[in-house]
Amino acid sequence: EAQVTQNPRYLITVTGKKLTVTCSQNMNHEYMSWYRQDPGLGLRQIYYSMNVEVTDKGDVPEGYKVSRKEKRNFPLILESPSPNQTSLYFCASRDVSGANVLTFGAGSRLTVL
Amino acid sequence: GENVEQHPSTLSVQEGDSAVIKCTYSDSASNYFPWYKQELGKGPQLIIDIRSNVGEKKDQRIAVTLNKTAKHFSLHITETQPEDSAVYFCAALEDSSYKLIFGSGTRLLVRP
Repeated sequence: EAQVTQNPRYLITVTGKKLTVTCSQNMNHEYMSWYRQDPGLGLRQIYYSMNVEVTDKGDVPEGYKVSRKEKRNFPLILESPSPNQTSLYFCASRDVSGANVLTFGAGSRLTVL
Repeated sequence: GENVEQHPSTLSVQEGDSAVIKCTYSDSASNYFPWYKQELGKGPQLIIDIRSNVGEKKDQRIAVTLNKTAKHFSLHITETQPEDSAVYFCAALEDSSYKLIFGSGTRLLVRP
């Protein structure tokens, strides 16, 4: 089944404790992206990657890092989480040719105390 | 850059009634407008999209209309069912960056 898999789905952590949210897709998509979803603000892009070793900032990149060492994986790293990073995070991917259809993961709900 | 506004933020309808969600965009160069549905505990999923060379597109009970002059597009759901209850996001593809810009979302509740 074609899918984007995120882990963990739920996480409660404390301020300053580094964490990584993993994202993996099995569709051989070149493009991958991270979004955060907050009430009343919709989906805001954090970082995206057009291909292996190519990453760019989205609209809200502060406090986050990403890497793209392999085509299928695109982890989101919070080096020193803060309470304002409490949010619902989505990873998504798409083929860069043809349709612009994004396939989303199921989401990771992060709480930073 | 592109800005997308979506209204209403919440919408409650009786089962069988129609629901309409509206979005406006700012970049006249945008030419692709998808709609995503997010069910509880799941990621958004594309339900319908429209490109700027057409004014309307239908798929069974859902339809999208586009008015390029006014820079707005709408999602229409007819004969609503309880399983239509979800959060709906509109989006526009920003021409300069090839990035999807999302609206703030509409929570639709269909009352049985």
